[in-house]
Amino acid sequence: IVLTQSPGTLSLSPGERATLSCRASQSISSSYLAWYQQKPGQAPRLLIYGASSRATGIPDRFSGSGSGTDFTLTISRLEPEDFAVYYCHQYGSSPLYTFGQGTKLEIK
Amino acid sequence: EVQLVESGGGLIQPGGSLRLSCAASGFTVSSNYMSWVRQAPGKGLEWVSVTYSGGSSDYADSVKGRFTISRDKAKNTLYLQMNSLRAEDTAVYYCASQLGSPLYFDYWGQGTLVTVSS
Repeated sequence: IVLTQSPGTLSLSPGERATLSCRASQSISSSYLAWYQQKPGQAPRLLIYGASSRATGIPDRFSGSGSGTDFTLTISRLEPEDFAVYYCHQYGSSPLYTFGQGTKLEIK
Repeated sequence: EVQLVESGGGLIQPGGSLRLSCAASGFTVSSNYMSWVRQAPGKGLEWVSVTYSGGSSDYADSVKGRFTISRDKAKNTLYLQMNSLRAEDTAVYYCASQLGSPLYFDYWGQGTLVTVSS
């Protein structure tokens, strides 16, 4: 299964709403879809699992939704620390775990 | 508190071998799924290998037959033995725990850089 993220780069200002897309080449269970945030020089951080459940300590401005082949990560009101690269990820069969290519969220 | 600390990276010639370590604290490695995930310079994330709580393991096709994942119960440490290294194995290697579920990676180490070059 291939995960395709769009857009590749998203330019927004603090306070705006961000909508990031992840499309799977085949239908997947929502339980199998997660989102991660990665800042430069840092390890990825789990944001969302099961398509819509926030990980421990993740602010409620982050939300996930979707089903089947189309999934979305929404950041309701961007804070300066939210500008980073975001990856979607799925548990599958071969390979077991697949990541999307990433969406870079940059300050406009 | 869960902590993962990788070590063992460095510069290695093509065809060489290297062993990465991931020292864990705050949980028991042998009781959980644990994975290695890598990131080539300027690129995205690629899953490499997983070890299951039962002791078996699985690998990405790109490393199958060359890499071996293992763990030491007494040291609470995860390892990745990498043989027959290629230039395309150059990456930051992260260990990641799967404490909440086998379906995602909930804690990550800081990563260790492996550079394969002559």
